[in-house]
Amino acid sequence: SQKIEQNSEALNIQEGKTATLTCNYTNYSPAYLQWYRQDPGRGPVFLLLIRENEKEKRKERLKVTFDTTLKQSLFHITASQPADSATYLCALDNTDKLIFGTGTRLQVFP
Amino acid sequence: GAVVSQHPSRVICKSGTSVKIECRSLDFQATTMFWYRQFPKQSLMLMATSNEGSKATYEQGVEKDKFLINHASLTLSTLTVTSAHPEDSSFYICSAETFASSGANVLTFGAGSRLTVL
Repeated sequence: SQKIEQNSEALNIQEGKTATLTCNYTNYSPAYLQWYRQDPGRGPVFLLLIRENEKEKRKERLKVTFDTTLKQSLFHITASQPADSATYLCALDNTDKLIFGTGTRLQVFP
Repeated sequence: GAVVSQHPSRVICKSGTSVKIECRSLDFQATTMFWYRQFPKQSLMLMATSNEGSKATYEQGVEKDKFLINHASLTLSTLTVTSAHPEDSSFYICSAETFASSGANVLTFGAGSRLTVL
């Protein structure tokens, strides 16, 4: 069956450290993978997109990698700040639709 | 940037009544909109794809007669939960396709609508 898995346990890190979130997928062949941020009670906000032929993408303190062999994407936030605390969702394209993972809650404490 | 406005943000209704949720693209035209549903601490579940001027395409297991979707213009899609029951209580979020700088489609989401059915 098709699955998109993100660590359901919250990730707690100290301010200034690098947060790394994982997205693994099974039985999909996405042309691209996206990452979104969702704050409580709000809709998700697009952060980054990476295509299947790209290994890495960066935007300010964010970095995404995409390994189609491992079927995995890693999402990094460097120099994390308490304001980065949120739930981060990965999403794959599947026949013109975006399918979302369950998300990982990140908590950055001072 | 692209903005999607969703209204109402919160609604409480009695069991058996119908509730309409509106989703508007404010500064762009949205040929395609998507409606998602999210339960607490769970992922977004795609309910249906809404195409302007045509019938919505519903995902498997979503009752089209219960969740009526209308996309009558390029800037407005509506979701009506008919004869709502407590199990319909959830967070409903709409989204519209926009283009990232890379040229691929990304989603711009509304702020969501929290429905509570008593």
